[in-house]
Amino acid sequence: DADVTQTPRNRITKTGKRIMLECSQTKGHDRMYWYRQDPGLGLRLIYYSFDVKDINKGEISDGYSVSRQAQAKFSLSLESAIPNQTALYFCATSGGARDEQFFGPGTRLTVL
Amino acid sequence: LAKTTQPISMDSYEGQEVNITCSHNNIATNDYITWYQQFPSQGPRFIIQGYKTKVTNEVASLFIPADRKSSTLSLPRVSLSDTAVYYCLVGDLFKGGGNKLTFGTGTQLKVEL
Repeated sequence: DADVTQTPRNRITKTGKRIMLECSQTKGHDRMYWYRQDPGLGLRLIYYSFDVKDINKGEISDGYSVSRQAQAKFSLSLESAIPNQTALYFCATSGGARDEQFFGPGTRLTVL
Repeated sequence: LAKTTQPISMDSYEGQEVNITCSHNNIATNDYITWYQQFPSQGPRFIIQGYKTKVTNEVASLFIPADRKSSTLSLPRVSLSDTAVYYCLVGDLFKGGGNKLTFGTGTQLKVEL
C-alpha cells in the first residue's frame, strides 16, 4: 500500500465550485505539505503543517484553505475554483533525520 | 531564503557521467542541500542530501566545496531511465525546513541512446 495517498486522482469541475482534495499518510510523519505544479514549471508550496495545531501559508496560498484533521490527514480546499487553479496538486509528508519529503501520486484538477 | 540557480536543461548519452551544478550563494550556516528527481506526472523523490564535502549513495554522489556556495550532483553512467527533472533544494532541516525548501524549475535531463 502507498504511504501517501491522494483522492481524487483526477477531477474536472466548473468555475465557482468548492473543491476538496484529500491526503492521507501512513508514515507517521508530523509534517505535511500541499504543492501545485503547472506544466513546465516547478512545484510551488501552497500550505504546510508541522503538526495538527500548526498550519502555515506557503508562497501561493491565496484562493486555498487547508484543514489538518489528524496527524495522518491534510485536506486542501478551493472555496471557489477558478480556471487558473487548473494544475497538478501534490501532497507530501516529511520526517526523519533528513526531513526527506515523500510525495503522493498527485491530483490532476481541471477547472472549466 | 536561500535561492538556488540550476541549468534549465542538459543532454547526455547512455553510459556517460552527468554532473548538474546548483548555485546557492546565500546558503546559511544551518542549511542542508537536498536533491530530488521527478518523472512526468509523478511527485519528486529524494536522491541525496549533504552538508559539506562529499556524499555518495547507491545512485548518486553530491560534491560540496568548502564555501558551500554551490553543489554538484553526479550521476554515474546514466541510462534512458534517468531522463527526469532534477531539483536542488537548500534549507534548514531543524527549523521547519518546509518553509525554506523551495522547488525551483529544476534541470531537465534528457538521456539519449
